[in-house]
Amino acid sequence: HLQLQESGPGLVKPSETLSLTCTVSGDSISSSSYYWGWIRQPPGKELEWIGIIYYSGGTYYSPSLKSRVTISIDTSKNQFSLRLSSVTAADTAVYYCARLGYNSREFDYWGQGTLVTVSS
Amino acid sequence: DIQMTQSPSSVSASVGDRVTITCRASQGISSWLVWYQQKPGKAPKLLIYAASNLQSGVPSRFSGSGSGTDFTLTISSLQPEDFATYYCQQANSFPYTFGQGTKLEIK
Repeated sequence: HLQLQESGPGLVKPSETLSLTCTVSGDSISSSSYYWGWIRQPPGKELEWIGIIYYSGGTYYSPSLKSRVTISIDTSKNQFSLRLSSVTAADTAVYYCARLGYNSREFDYWGQGTLVTVSS
Repeated sequence: DIQMTQSPSSVSASVGDRVTITCRASQGISSWLVWYQQKPGKAPKLLIYAASNLQSGVPSRFSGSGSGTDFTLTISSLQPEDFATYYCQQANSFPYTFGQGTKLEIK
């Protein structure tokens, strides 16, 4: 049974870098059948696609966040990570990691989400 | 980016009602449309992929249709557990953008 679990600080100061890790269990992150992605949701607002990574390390980022986002993958630990630099209060959100089908193109498994608050 | 617009933004309905939610893409996306259900404090749950394919384990009262720019999600007979927020997402081209959501409330 596939599970994804986000981890990282729940509070980040403005101008600093937000760092989260998603640990995958129940499947290999090295599968060629999936991407691994990050999505966020500000409180009371809609979902926002941040970016995705393939097991080979190939990435695609949302153009609106591209200058500040880095997604990386560690196949030895079955984890992938998100870094978002120069954060502001607007980056306060629940951050989700999820699995995206390479051919079918849907997010079929999601982590429970982790709230990250940007505040001094 | 492709913009996704859902209507209505919210809808009130009763148990047993038939409800339809619409999603429109700013450009053609073939059948690359996904529907999710989200309950408060929970991660989204996949309902339908490729516009009309029901995800395993999802009740058959949920159905999806459409292609090109216009899509619908229909719940044939609302159950108490269906009251939630529903999101569409285009999967035609990166970034896979989401609609703003439709909140389904109890009348």
